[in-house]
Amino acid sequence: DAGVIQSPRHEVTEMGQEVTLRCKPISGHDYLFWYRQTMMRGLELLIYFNNNVPIDDSGMPEDRFSAKMPNASFSTLKIQPSEPRDSAVYFCASRIAGPYNEQFFGPGTRLTVL
Amino acid sequence: RKEVEQDPGPFNVPEGATVAFNCTYSNSASQSFFWYRQDCRKEPKLLMSVYSSGNEDGRFTAQLNRASQYISLLIRDSKLSDSATYLCVVGVGGRRALTFGSGTRLQVQP
Repeated sequence: DAGVIQSPRHEVTEMGQEVTLRCKPISGHDYLFWYRQTMMRGLELLIYFNNNVPIDDSGMPEDRFSAKMPNASFSTLKIQPSEPRDSAVYFCASRIAGPYNEQFFGPGTRLTVL
Repeated sequence: RKEVEQDPGPFNVPEGATVAFNCTYSNSASQSFFWYRQDCRKEPKLLMSVYSSGNEDGRFTAQLNRASQYISLLIRDSKLSDSATYLCVVGVGGRRALTFGSGTRLQVQP
């Protein structure tokens, strides 16, 4: 199994540009999560989906952030326009339904906004 | 109050030492408990689940105290390779997401 796949692995952009992060969950997993991690704030849950439907987006910082999951094998997190304070590592994770099941993380996208 | 609280550390210990991490959680309805490990510049990975009766995996022992809403992780005979951040994770069930603590950093020194 390839695990959770994220792209790009690194992204450097200028303030005001649109950024799109991509995620392919593990096949058969019905939950998908987007996290942001910084030294100051640790690991923050941004949004999660169950069977492609957004369940809780209360962690999305503001309207500049949006996420979609058009099908079971693909999700995007978009930031438009990007700001320097968005610089962080963005992780995608997936798991099978049930509180006892392991959650698998992708390798993350390291975003730098100049 | 945070849902899952951990001492951020860092814990600096010599090789061979025994070290213990503690974690408290606020939701009494929590059903599942885990320790995840995160190496520097890597993603978090499951270290072990925590069961009500306590469980052991090699040098690692996890304990759960539901009455006190407290979870612990004990690492015996620390290795340099144990240096990482250890995240306490709690699940409520239903369609709720897992809640991650902010992590405890461990540095094992030669």
